[in-house]
Amino acid sequence: NAGVMQNPRHLVRRRGQEARLRCSPMKGHSHVYWYRQLPEEGLKFMVYLQKENIIDESGMPKERFSAEFPKEGPSILRIQQVVRGDSAAYFCASSPPSSSSYNEQFFGPGTRLTVL
Amino acid sequence: QKEVEQNSGPLSVPEGAIASLNCTYSDRVSQSFFWYRQYSGKSPELIMSIYSNGDKEDGRFTAQLNKASQYVSLLIRDSQPSDSATYLCAVNIYSGTYKYIFGTGTRLKVLA
Repeated sequence: NAGVMQNPRHLVRRRGQEARLRCSPMKGHSHVYWYRQLPEEGLKFMVYLQKENIIDESGMPKERFSAEFPKEGPSILRIQQVVRGDSAAYFCASSPPSSSSYNEQFFGPGTRLTVL
Repeated sequence: QKEVEQNSGPLSVPEGAIASLNCTYSDRVSQSFFWYRQYSGKSPELIMSIYSNGDKEDGRFTAQLNKASQYVSLLIRDSQPSDSATYLCAVNIYSGTYKYIFGTGTRLKVLA
């Protein structure tokens, strides 16, 4: 499967626990983007990463949220001390290794986070 | 003013008709525009990208771009019930880095 991979597909956490969402980009892609989508709402940009670098985190909440894309392995979006308002679908997208306005982004299947 | 605006719908069209989906954007220097289709409970799927003024056709889909009016549209010819989905418009803007801004989407219903 050469597409964007995300796991887990569904994640249930209790308030105060940590959530870790993983994303492996398409083969040959080195740019990763995370988005959050609340029910009946649009996609909200969270963070843009390249290998070992956070390029743009302007959409990340200032507290409890962090993201990384290590040299080896998937990108990880980490949410500490989850609250009910964090319940959403989290999508990862990837694009080719070129900083161009013409880069197309391709989405993974998403992780549905439910906070009890 | 929102950066990317779409009518939330639902837009209902009969099977076989042309569905017209519209999107306006506020950043005059945007160069790249994308249409995604999202079925309920699924992830967005890229269906069209357009970079130059005018029309771009791909099968039953035609994207239209008018940069002077800051307007991009998607036409779906011979609409099918399987086209029923939410269509998201995305605009690539530059603010230090390139970043997609998505509209909230238009829900399309094709009636059999």
